[in-house]
Amino acid sequence: GESVGLHLPTLSVQEGDNSIINCAYSNSASDYFIWYKQESGKGPQFIIDIRSNMDKRQGQRVTVLLNKTVKHLSLQIAATQPGDSAVYFCAEKGPADSWGKFQFGAGTQVVVTP
Amino acid sequence: GAVVSQHPSRVICKSGTSVKIECRSLDFQATTMFWYRQFPKKSLMLMATSNEGSKATYEQGVEKDKFLINHASLTLSTLTVTSAHPEDSSFYICSAMSGDTQYFGPGTRLTVL
Repeated sequence: GESVGLHLPTLSVQEGDNSIINCAYSNSASDYFIWYKQESGKGPQFIIDIRSNMDKRQGQRVTVLLNKTVKHLSLQIAATQPGDSAVYFCAEKGPADSWGKFQFGAGTQVVVTP
Repeated sequence: GAVVSQHPSRVICKSGTSVKIECRSLDFQATTMFWYRQFPKKSLMLMATSNEGSKATYEQGVEKDKFLINHASLTLSTLTVTSAHPEDSSFYICSAMSGDTQYFGPGTRLTVL
């Protein structure tokens, strides 16, 4: 997975287009995954989650895909809007992780252009 | 549901003073809460796990005597930054567990002069 501390990658998307944000996770035993959205100066906000017994889950305008074979998670945002501009983090948790500790990716900065 | 609040949202203090940050789960009870620190343009760095009624578990490299954590009830955890110095200036975020999921507070911006 992405290491904490790396420079944030940036995804520039035109308003109305679909966005795809990718995350490579590190632990093959991880069984629960969450995508968070963090706007500038705010705490991360839960977007959508998925468990390892699924490979796809849809929400409102968002879809999460899980490929356990290659340990890859993606978040798709349909018809991206200016309000979608934020940093997006993936988080993973394994069954052995005590007290619910998650491992977070480095994040991807999404910039929506008009 | 699953709303987490933090107070204060911003605090400026002088070097050497202590600052307390509160984290509350508003509509659920949380046996476990977490405290994170975040530097600009960086990911979340877990500082400690706060368990109601027991001592916090600190991550490697985090000084427990500097960052005091108290989780006295199922809806409140506090982080006290003792003898703050400018290098402690950061964005501190708490989260609370509801089921399997972590829900985050809005964060506290600490500036130490």
